[in-house]
Amino acid sequence: KAGVTQTPRYLIKTRGQQVTLSCSPISGHRSVSWYQQTPGQGLQFLFEYFSETQRNKGNFPGRFSGRQFSNSRSEMNVSTLELGDSALYLCASSLGADNTGELFFGEGSRLTVL
Amino acid sequence: GQSLEQPSEVTAVEGAIVQINCTYQTSGFYGLSWYQQHDGGAPTFLSYNALDGLEETGRFSSFLSRSDSYGYLLLQELQMKDSASYFCAVRGGSSASKIIFGSGTRLSIRP
Repeated sequence: KAGVTQTPRYLIKTRGQQVTLSCSPISGHRSVSWYQQTPGQGLQFLFEYFSETQRNKGNFPGRFSGRQFSNSRSEMNVSTLELGDSALYLCASSLGADNTGELFFGEGSRLTVL
Repeated sequence: GQSLEQPSEVTAVEGAIVQINCTYQTSGFYGLSWYQQHDGGAPTFLSYNALDGLEETGRFSSFLSRSDSYGYLLLQELQMKDSASYFCAVRGGSSASKIIFGSGTRLSIRP
């Protein structure tokens, strides 16, 4: 069974632009979470979606937004990019039954902001 | 809010045993997970503890003490391929579906 797929894998943007990242979860998984990873900062929680509804949100500014579609695919958007937004953005899926801590991660989208 | 603390770096010798500790603070607690991430790779799930005690999976074991808000990951018979970053993650806070990660422990294995 296919794993979590994230596109694009790499992208370069300039300050002020916006970016949209896509995540296709494992078939049958209804929960999608997004994390930002920077060196030394671990994985910072962005948001979590389940059945097209945002269930949880991390402490990021409103420039960061997301959504989930009826097929469980998810997108996240960052507007008015800043240099500090350069990071690896990881998407993780799970069944969403909340009875285990197991997340399945994609390879990530590496964003560089110049 | 939620926070987790774990050592930033640990060095061990091939064939030895190493323990990576994790302490957490959260208003609501459902479980503690451990993930491994090799350089350039995606995090992969190792273990999950919802109840106190030790869970063993091959060379890896994970322990949880809810009363101490503490857990650890124990790696035995270390191999060079175990060189990676290890993250503890807590499921809890305001929602059972929210999983927050620590900053990670970089494990280096010496021959």
